[in-house]
Amino acid sequence: SQQGEEDPQALSIQEGENATMNCSYKTSINNLQWYRQNSGRGLVHLILIRSNEREKHSGRLRVTLDTSKKSSSLLITASRAADTASYFCATDRLTGGGNKLTFGTGTQLKVEL
Amino acid sequence: DVKVTQSSRYLVKRTGEKVFLECVQDMDHENMFWYRQDPGLGLRLIYFSYDVKMKEKGDIPEGYSVSREKKERFSLILESASTNQTSMYLCASSLSWTRDYGYTFGSGTRLTVV
Repeated sequence: SQQGEEDPQALSIQEGENATMNCSYKTSINNLQWYRQNSGRGLVHLILIRSNEREKHSGRLRVTLDTSKKSSSLLITASRAADTASYFCATDRLTGGGNKLTFGTGTQLKVEL
Repeated sequence: DVKVTQSSRYLVKRTGEKVFLECVQDMDHENMFWYRQDPGLGLRLIYFSYDVKMKEKGDIPEGYSVSREKKERFSLILESASTNQTSMYLCASSLSWTRDYGYTFGSGTRLTVV
């Protein structure tokens, strides 16, 4: 079963706007990661947030983690057409072996000019 | 630039064939993984390996096997390909079994079984 579920499934915005994607998960985690996938290609690691962290930044990316609600959000500020991709959250659960990630089903982001 | 290389981008095989998907990483990573990706289902873990000659089943190992004879190479084997194994296959690696490392993915192999 999927550990992470992203919301919304699809998102369409104008260039320059901010994009927010959410991820909910079910069991306790060691860390949560976000990945980007351009059409038909492999995934690219964006950012990792540990369970004892609440917020993390990397360039135009901001990730928050609320372990009490078992949820995370990814904010992309000042979006660009090149940000068009699918975004996945992945959780490293506390049980079942280290560094084994479970992925959600993804949010498809389209940034229009 | 560090890389995970999958031997084929597209592959078409016949039902019943034995299929080998190859993955090579040049980063001296300990862990390697095989996922399949299907619309609406996201990525699902097939097998993973945390050391040479070591392997463990993931969530959907049925119909698959793996081989890791060298640290840099992790092969996925479809013993007798079936149409329900038509999918995008993604190989990934990570530095070590110690937590808090992201994965590096290959570009994927889109397999069609006819």
